[in-house]
Amino acid sequence: SQQGEEDPQALSIQEGENATMNCSYKTSINNLQWYRQNSGRGLVHLILIRSNEREKHSGRLRVTLDTSKKSSSLLITASRAADTASYFCATDGDDYKLSFGAGTTVTVRA
Amino acid sequence: GAVVSQHPSRVICKSGTSVKIECRSLDFQATTMFWYRQFPKKSLMLMATSNEGSKATYEQGVEKDKFLINHASLTLSTLTVTSAHPEDSSFYICSALAGLAKNIQYFGAGTRLSVL
Repeated sequence: SQQGEEDPQALSIQEGENATMNCSYKTSINNLQWYRQNSGRGLVHLILIRSNEREKHSGRLRVTLDTSKKSSSLLITASRAADTASYFCATDGDDYKLSFGAGTTVTVRA
Repeated sequence: GAVVSQHPSRVICKSGTSVKIECRSLDFQATTMFWYRQFPKKSLMLMATSNEGSKATYEQGVEKDKFLINHASLTLSTLTVTSAHPEDSSFYICSALAGLAKNIQYFGAGTRLSVL
């Protein structure tokens, strides 16, 4: 079942700006992951943050996790046109299933 | 590494026919694969978990006789949409779990099914 809620639903920014999106979830988790989906394609794994971690970086991506608030954020710095995509957070529990949020559609304008 | 191939990428079929979608892990063995359905501008909905050598586990509300899943080898899972109807038109995506320790799923490119 879908457990994550993402905010905002859509985001339009200028190339070079930063993009921030948030994800909230309801139940306890082992990990929280972020995925990217280009239009009409499959998902690409971006980053995984464990429940005992608070922040993680990967290139231009920065993810935070606040388990007390059951929320996470994904920051994309210095955005590029190629970052245009939908971004989903996903939580997993003990059964390895992923529960996806509704997604944030990011449009980067040249 | 960790490439998942899904075929076909697009299929158009007549109502009442069956359609088979293949999901292959190309460079790793996947004892567990997942099948999702995605409606336009919506999130992914997990349909079932496919386990090699055993029966698939279906999520609540998913008809197992309608969506047949077979995971006959460590690199191949298939989803057959039986007696397809227009309401089955959707985007179907598979993923493979590349090791339980990592718990990262690698996704196929998806299959766009259109039932006329």
